[in-house]
Amino acid sequence: DQQVKQNSPSLSVQEGRISILNCDYTNSMFDYFLWYKKYPAEGPTFLISISSIKDKNEDGRFTVFLNKSAKHLSLHIVPSQPGDSAVYFCAASRKAAGNKLTFGGGTRVLVKP
Amino acid sequence: EAQVTQNPRYLITVTGKKLTVTCSQNMNHEYMSWYRQDPGLGLRQIYYSMNVEVTDKGDVPEGYKVSRKEKRNFPLILESPSPNQTSLYFCASRLGAGGYEQYFGPGTRLTVT
Repeated sequence: DQQVKQNSPSLSVQEGRISILNCDYTNSMFDYFLWYKKYPAEGPTFLISISSIKDKNEDGRFTVFLNKSAKHLSLHIVPSQPGDSAVYFCAASRKAAGNKLTFGGGTRVLVKP
Repeated sequence: EAQVTQNPRYLITVTGKKLTVTCSQNMNHEYMSWYRQDPGLGLRQIYYSMNVEVTDKGDVPEGYKVSRKEKRNFPLILESPSPNQTSLYFCASRLGAGGYEQYFGPGTRLTVT
């Protein structure tokens, strides 16, 4: 059973608008969350992260929100740019498990010019 | 340039023919791991290594072997590949047990016929 789920396999958005990617998890023991971005024929690259003691972390155009009571996190990209077109993976980690990453299935984002 | 390299990038082989995918990192990272990416399932961990001569199973270790004789190298071995091991494979590394962010290689596309 997948502990981390991204229920939207794809998302299409107009350039300049907001992209919102969602991720749900089932294990309340996860204490750190990350988003990775992946272009075709490349490995995933780290984008942004958030600790479970926070509810928001911002880095430029990217903001991650964490709602622990709902076991839900989201990634906001504002404004979206064509170069943001990629697959985005959320991942969750637990210090007691050696910080092993558990990944969601990914969301493919297409930003239209 | 800090990087994780994998070879080969693409491989087509037949059932039962032993193969090795190499992985090397130049960041002096202690922790290395192997993942496979399958549609809708995200990245699943196959094996990981906390340091030289220390390896352990991840979530999907069946049919795979690894070794960690040197800090920089972490090869993935398929002794008798089967078609269900057709997948996209990623090697990753991070600094140590206390870190979260992992650096990924470019991936190896394996097809077993």
